[in-house]
Amino acid sequence: EPEVTQTPSHQVTQMGQEVILRCVPISNHLYFYWYRQILGQKVEFLVSFYNNEISEKSEIFDDQFSVERPDGSNFTLKIRSTKLEDSAMYFCASRTGQTARETQYFGPGTRLLVL
Amino acid sequence: AQSVTQPDIHITVSEGASLELRCNYSYGATPYLFWYVQSPGQGLQLLLKYFSGDTLVQGIKGFEAEFKRSQSSFNLRKPSVHWSDAAEYFCAVGAPTDSWGKLQFGAGTQVVVTP
Repeated sequence: EPEVTQTPSHQVTQMGQEVILRCVPISNHLYFYWYRQILGQKVEFLVSFYNNEISEKSEIFDDQFSVERPDGSNFTLKIRSTKLEDSAMYFCASRTGQTARETQYFGPGTRLLVL
Repeated sequence: AQSVTQPDIHITVSEGASLELRCNYSYGATPYLFWYVQSPGQGLQLLLKYFSGDTLVQGIKGFEAEFKRSQSSFNLRKPSVHWSDAAEYFCAVGAPTDSWGKLQFGAGTQVVVTP
């Protein structure tokens, strides 16, 4: 069964450093998402992406965050200058259709620790 | 404002016993409702979803959920749990009017299964 993959599974970085989290969505999917879960808190929506552009973003997704799909298979989340509060589990998701009726398929997550 | 509440952070259940996980939502109309499960090292896997119609929905792995409009609830149940059901369970909602289909999650319920 096709699945969403994410790399790395864990990443430790120093505050102020740039990190790139990578995701490979399911191949025929067209809509892509990033969510995050700070330890002990809810899974929160960050951004959705369609047709090579951001379709919606949350208040969390400020100028230090960016996403791109550089090569038609990978979908990346970049945090330009990490802060301590960026420590969280980051989930990538993808789906075929646009609406919430369509199942979102999630990757296993990348656990980011900012020191 | 929309919200999703999972009142139980942690539940311990004996193998073979029944399980019920609670989910309450606050939304102006009936949202799309989902239950996801996350096993250690795995992504979020969809168990079941509700859009409309029959208020009792069947999912994978022997799970079912019942939508109760009067209580704004969508509780997940399993008649007899197996040790492999130990995982974290997330309730999520999607707004039918949301063009891009983002999900809003509850905080999750950790289920521990004892012998």
